[in-house]
Amino acid sequence: AIQMTQSPSSLSASVGDRVTITCRASQDIRNDLGWYQQKPGKAPKLLIYSASSLQSGVPSRFSGSGSATDFTLTISSLQPEDFATYYCLQDYNYPLTFGQGTKVEIK
Amino acid sequence: QVQLVQSGAEVKKPGASVKVSCKASGYTFTNYHISWVRQATGQGLEWMGWMDPKTGNTGYSQNFQGRVTMTRDTSINTAYMELSSLRSEDTAVFYCARRTAIGTGWFDPWGQGTLVTVSS
Repeated sequence: AIQMTQSPSSLSASVGDRVTITCRASQDIRNDLGWYQQKPGKAPKLLIYSASSLQSGVPSRFSGSGSATDFTLTISSLQPEDFATYYCLQDYNYPLTFGQGTKVEIK
Repeated sequence: QVQLVQSGAEVKKPGASVKVSCKASGYTFTNYHISWVRQATGQGLEWMGWMDPKTGNTGYSQNFQGRVTMTRDTSINTAYMELSSLRSEDTAVFYCARRTAIGTGWFDPWGQGTLVTVSS
């Protein structure tokens, strides 16, 4: 199975900060990757698909980049509603696998 | 609107089975695969498998092979996930999600989640 290594596992940031989360795949997955946001007690919400395509309705401060094995989710200016846990998901082959998550907390 | 609505919380004893439903509305049910994802309390997301509602074809993660069965009833636009031989480690929230486009990481929408508690 493809391993998705996400970093950091947690971070503290302030409103207005630029935040970067990375995901590394154990093999080339082209751009078959999505990013999800999850708040406590809620289902995950799609932010980015195909590594860099912004899902409809998602604020433009979220962006994704990368291909092959290295991927990045960037929040350009952190807002109060962005404090949550973020996951990457590889959709290249089965079994699909998630990163272990990055919890973004208030500094 | 496009949505998935799951069945309610369940409490089961070790060794029992649980069957969770996921009712689709707002789109053509048979046009998109459904995947199931498990999230143990305080833990990350774990993909369990997929089902094609058009054909009934399925594929399961090795971690659940032999214990999970995914089915559907196209007459009521509902997918099901049955997990057998439950153990305490299966205490988790289970989500269904529509796989909007294969190979893109595009799972949307998600059901609201179903909490399954395994306890003697």
